[in-house]
Amino acid sequence: DIQMTQSPSSLSASVGDRVTITCQASQDISNYLNWYQQKPGKAPKLLIYDASNLETGVPSRFSGSGSGTDFTFTISSLQPEDIATYYCQQYDNLPPGFGQGTRLEIK
Amino acid sequence: QVQLVQSGAEVKKPGASVKVSCKVSGYTLTELSMHWVRQAPGKGLEWMGGFDPEDGETIYAQKFQGRVTMTEDTSTDTAYMELSSLRSEDTAVYYCATYSNAYDYWGQGTLVTVSS
Repeated sequence: DIQMTQSPSSLSASVGDRVTITCQASQDISNYLNWYQQKPGKAPKLLIYDASNLETGVPSRFSGSGSGTDFTFTISSLQPEDIATYYCQQYDNLPPGFGQGTRLEIK
Repeated sequence: QVQLVQSGAEVKKPGASVKVSCKVSGYTLTELSMHWVRQAPGKGLEWMGGFDPEDGETIYAQKFQGRVTMTEDTSTDTAYMELSSLRSEDTAVYYCATYSNAYDYWGQGTLVTVSS
């Protein structure tokens, strides 16, 4: 199985900050990577697919990049409503493994 | 637009089984690949299994092999996940989610509590 290593596990930032989360795959997965946002008590929501494509309706302050084994998720200007846990997920092979998650808090 | 509505919360004793349902609307179940993901309290997302359209079979995470069964009733567009021999570590929110290289649509989650 492909292992996904996400960092950091938690992050505290101020409103307006640029926030970056990384995800590393244990083997080359091309661009077969998605990013999700999960707010407390809610199901995850797909934000970015194919490493860099923004899902319809997702604000443009969210972006993703990378290919191969190293990927980055960025919020260009943190907003209060972005407080959530973020997960990467690979789909190069089944099982579609998730990263451990990054919990984002407001400083 | 796909909507997934799951059955309600369950409390089970250790050793019992639980069966969670996931009703599909907006599409038919045959048009979708349904997977199940769980989340223990305060923990991350854990894939349990789902339908692989390339093989036409349901595949399960090795961790749950022999304890989990995922079925579908296409006459009612309802998917089911049954987990047996429950233990306290199975206490979690169980989600159904449609999969097409990404989890596009999710159910609201079903809390299963295992407690004596």
